[in-house]
Amino acid sequence: DAGITQSPRHKVTETGTPVTLRCHQTENHRYMYWYRQDPGHGLRLIHYSYGVKDTDKGEVSDGYSVSRSKTEDFLLTLESATSSQTSVYFCAISESFGGQTTNEKLFFGSGTQLSVL
Amino acid sequence: AQSVAQPEDQVNVAEGNPLTVKCTYSVSGNPYLFWYVQYPNRGLQFLLKYITGDNLVKGSYGFEAEFNKSQTSFHLKKPSALVSDSALYFCAVRDMDGANNLFFGTGTRLTVIP
Repeated sequence: DAGITQSPRHKVTETGTPVTLRCHQTENHRYMYWYRQDPGHGLRLIHYSYGVKDTDKGEVSDGYSVSRSKTEDFLLTLESATSSQTSVYFCAISESFGGQTTNEKLFFGSGTQLSVL
Repeated sequence: AQSVAQPEDQVNVAEGNPLTVKCTYSVSGNPYLFWYVQYPNRGLQFLLKYITGDNLVKGSYGFEAEFNKSQTSFHLKKPSALVSDSALYFCAVRDMDGANNLFFGTGTRLTVIP
C-alpha cells in the first residue's frame, strides 16, 4: 500500500487507557492524515499534518491528539480511550493538497482495528 | 458546508452488465470530486478524480464517472462489470475554493454476481 505502514494492525484495550497508533511512510509526502471508518459514517478526518510539527484538527478530533516530529512518522494518540473510539483507523498520505492543486491523490495504509472494551 | 451522499448502501449487478454507483454532493464553491475503492481488509485506493474540463472522467480498471453540475452528481460507471469489481466504493468531495478537508460519503457496497 504505497509505502505506508500502520502499527499495530490490531489492538484491544480497556476504557480509560492511553493508546498510540503509528503511521510510517517511505514516500516523503508532505501531507499525512488520520481517518476513522465506521459503519454508516464512511471515513471521517480526525487530524492531519501539512509538515513536521504542523498539524490541524479534522471534523472528529475530540479525544485525539497527534504528533509529527519527522516527515515519515505521524502518531495518533487516544488520551483516554472510550468505547465510542472503537473503530478502524486509517492513515493516508498525499504529495499535495488544498487550494487549486491538480495532482491531489490520497494513498491509504491498511488500517488498524482498535477495540476499546 | 460540504457533504456527499451515496443513496444506495448496496448495489447488485450481474457480471457483464453495466454498473452505476450514485453520488451527489454539496459544496459552496467549485467541487473537486473523487472516487475511491476499498477491497476487504485493505485501505482505500484511488480510482479517479474530477477537477475541471471534460464532464466524463476516465479512471483505473475501466471505471469512469460523469460530472453533472446541474444535478450536483458524480456517478461512477463501468460498461461491463467483473466479479473482481465487488468492493466498497466511496465518493469524496472537497471545495476547491474553501476548506481543505476532504469529505467522504458513507460508501456503497457493490456485489457483482457471476
